[in-house]
Amino acid sequence: DAKTTQPPSMDCAEGRAANLPCNHSTISGNEYVYWYRQIHSQGPQYIIHGLKNNETNEMASLIITEDRKSSTLILPHATLRDTAVYYCIVRPVSGNTPLVFGKGTRLSVIA
Amino acid sequence: DTGVSQDPRHKITKRGQNVTFRCDPISEHNRLYWYRQTLGQGPEFLTYFQNEAQLEKSRLLSDRFSAERPKGSFSTLEIQRTEQGDSAMYLCASSSSGQGNEKLFFGSGTQLSVL
Repeated sequence: DAKTTQPPSMDCAEGRAANLPCNHSTISGNEYVYWYRQIHSQGPQYIIHGLKNNETNEMASLIITEDRKSSTLILPHATLRDTAVYYCIVRPVSGNTPLVFGKGTRLSVIA
Repeated sequence: DTGVSQDPRHKITKRGQNVTFRCDPISEHNRLYWYRQTLGQGPEFLTYFQNEAQLEKSRLLSDRFSAERPKGSFSTLEIQRTEQGDSAMYLCASSSSGQGNEKLFFGSGTQLSVL
């Protein structure tokens, strides 16, 4: 079972920052927070992951709270192509369990 | 650099027939995963391989399902005696690491419709 809670849907205006929240209150100290997204009719796509520190790459930023019980994925300048379902996943550092997807957040970027 | 390739993209079959899907992972990726996804749900894990060894199978994977990765490269997923409940998108993913920070690369999936 997924160990994360996400809102089912969100809207964002094109060009604005999209902030997608995720609650993972039962996360343990040896679990990563991962974000994937799935655009319609495609397989999921890796976005970013982190353990304790905030992370940034060319796609997004990941902000993890100090107690690690929640995180926020930030798409700094959302475009229409960012419309997708975004999945927040926790996974052990050991990597000995597969990724478990929940239902995610359906982000709609509006022109 | 080609990504994960799945074949066929779409399959329509009659109930009771057998179907087989193929997945070609990214070259030299040693891990290969199969997931299943139904409308409105996130992908559900089915099974995964480390090279040619099948390391884990989900309880979702009934006896009618079998997966192979004979030479540690491509993989096949066979469903015998298909049922209407098997209708779903079957996704394959590969990765180059078995560590917790591995990144999975997914194919576009095979959409199965059982009539």
